[in-house]
Amino acid sequence: GESVGLHLPTLSVQEGDNSIINCAYSNSASDYFIWYKQESGKGPQFIIDIRSNMDKRQGQRVTVLLNKTVKHLSLQIAATQPGDSAVYFCAENRGGGSYIPTFGRGTSLIVHP
Amino acid sequence: DVKVTQSSRYLVKRTGEKVFLECVQDMDHENMFWYRQDPGLGLRLIYFSYDVKMKEKGDIPEGYSVSREKKERFSLILESASTNQTSMYLCASSSGLAAFFGQGTRLTVV
Repeated sequence: GESVGLHLPTLSVQEGDNSIINCAYSNSASDYFIWYKQESGKGPQFIIDIRSNMDKRQGQRVTVLLNKTVKHLSLQIAATQPGDSAVYFCAENRGGGSYIPTFGRGTSLIVHP
Repeated sequence: DVKVTQSSRYLVKRTGEKVFLECVQDMDHENMFWYRQDPGLGLRLIYFSYDVKMKEKGDIPEGYSVSREKKERFSLILESASTNQTSMYLCASSSGLAAFFGQGTRLTVV
């Protein structure tokens, strides 16, 4: 069935490195994508979003890239810090005017000092 | 900032009990959601609501019901709690784009 998934369940990086977290989606009608960060014991926190008519969007230290041809989404975190350690989820709104976010399983980012 | 507040951080209930999880949002959002989160399974949608008194089943509604009597409040009800409903429950609200989440309720059914 259609789903949002992540390529890597765990990503370990050194402090100061750049991190790239990947996400594949299969619903070609999805028109809006969101990245969330979830720290231990907390609810998911909005990081950055991108609409399907864009291929790149930048925030503070984060960049989201969207490749609709291969249905791939990535989150790039520049100069990763220990405070970036968390589980990262991509989510898609199911398209066709739907506002219901569907989530992937998540990637755990571990930043070593 | 959007604030979504869940009434309890931790709950322990007995098998067979009726359990109410409450969620309140302060941003006048039309849409509200209940998810459960289990290790390795991500977030799965239980129910959602797009207006007062309106509700729709999500992907895993069995064993649950919901109530939305006021726009700001969305309640999840476990009619007869079972051990397989032990989980983290997350409430969210949105105006149509990004959803904003509460801090979660970790429910243990014994």
